[in-house]
Amino acid sequence: DSGVTQTPKHLITATGQRVTLRCSPRSGDLSVYWYQQSLDQGLQFLIQYYNGEERAKGNILERFSAQQFPDLHSELNLSSLELGDSALYFCASSREEGPQRAQYFGPGTRLLVL
Amino acid sequence: KNQVEQSPQSLIILEGKNCTLQCNYTVSPFSNLRWYKQDTGRGPVSLTIMTFSENTKSNGRYTATLDADTKQSSLHITASQLSDSASYICVVKGGYSTLTFGKGTMLLVSP
Repeated sequence: DSGVTQTPKHLITATGQRVTLRCSPRSGDLSVYWYQQSLDQGLQFLIQYYNGEERAKGNILERFSAQQFPDLHSELNLSSLELGDSALYFCASSREEGPQRAQYFGPGTRLLVL
Repeated sequence: KNQVEQSPQSLIILEGKNCTLQCNYTVSPFSNLRWYKQDTGRGPVSLTIMTFSENTKSNGRYTATLDADTKQSSLHITASQLSDSASYICVVKGGYSTLTFGKGTMLLVSP
């Protein structure tokens, strides 16, 4: 158990819909990262927040947005869902931003868009 | 373009044997290189992190090497166990906190 929690575990929805994925980092971790993992693409970095501020952006679509709240939990919002958005979405957290900091991954949310 | 290439794509070895997984990268500038182990359906777990000045790091039966000149890394697993069956992912951190992921090597340890 990494100490990072994600809800829900599974989500099934229809194309065109909007969903929100939630992540609670390990106690004391200020950085939160979001990743998408699909079968053919591997892990893709989406976005990073540090202490409430966006810090780095990866391959995140405009239909996707995220935020980190004052209590440090984070939400990833996915809108106008397409079939290709079906994937595992992981959240990871780390204590700070230093290059040596390991990221601790949550169990993931499995999203299926039908 | 930043890229991380891992080989082999998949590997089957007998329990107790050693194996080596490869990672080649073209990320620049380079900050650090990480190896993760991901069990099926679970989140990745960090095995090692190496910066430019480190050329080897061990974590139990896992030993990672880094050659920053040739931009190559390897992960050596000694005396493999059934629980080592997983996907092993190489991740390179570059400038501006960019992360580039390899597609992973799927390892199956057979009894």
